[in-house]
Amino acid sequence: RKEVEQDPGPFNVPEGATVAFNCTYSNSASQSFFWYRQDCRKEPKLLMSVYSSGNEDGRFTAQLNRASQYISLLIRDSKLSDSATYLCVVGTGRRALTFGSGTRLQVQP
Amino acid sequence: DADVTQTPRNRITKTGKRIMLECSQTKGHDRMYWYRQDPGLGLRLIYYSFDVKDINKGEISDGYSVSRQAQAKFSLSLESAIPNQTALYFCATSDSRLAGTNWAGELFFGEGSRLTVL
Repeated sequence: RKEVEQDPGPFNVPEGATVAFNCTYSNSASQSFFWYRQDCRKEPKLLMSVYSSGNEDGRFTAQLNRASQYISLLIRDSKLSDSATYLCVVGTGRRALTFGSGTRLQVQP
Repeated sequence: DADVTQTPRNRITKTGKRIMLECSQTKGHDRMYWYRQDPGLGLRLIYYSFDVKDINKGEISDGYSVSRQAQAKFSLSLESAIPNQTALYFCATSDSRLAGTNWAGELFFGEGSRLTVL
């Protein structure tokens, strides 16, 4: 089983739609969680951290469910510019971050 | 200019050749990493370095070696390249002072080095 698993997609949604991605992690000792965004053929960049209480940044909302070991990302009012691959990233103890394989989002006009 | 610079950006080589990918950063970060990315597999950690004297293997270090020549420079070598090392390679940095409860801290990536081994 992969340490961090994501649905690869692609998710094809119209502009203005709400879309949600989930990610599961296998190590119950993991303590830090992030979503990174990667545009085609570009480097990944931090989108947002994920806190236990959930957090919001504009149209983006991240949630963490420790009991079920999953993380979610909700995007409201999707824009064409949101088209990208979203990487779920988990930190466990004194180790470098572990990346999921990513979920591809394509927002259609 | 990019804060994290990788050279070369693209390289085509033959099986058995020695290849070096270089990474330099102007961010003043103490931690540096090498990841490779393959379709469907995401980013996998090859090696990471906490500081100049501290080098650690990642999950896929076989066939690779690294050198941390200075705080700002971290190079990745393939001693004898093979076709399944064809991938997109990313260097990344992070700052231990900003890590807080997150051990690794936010990663800042270079633009990537696309390596093809024929």
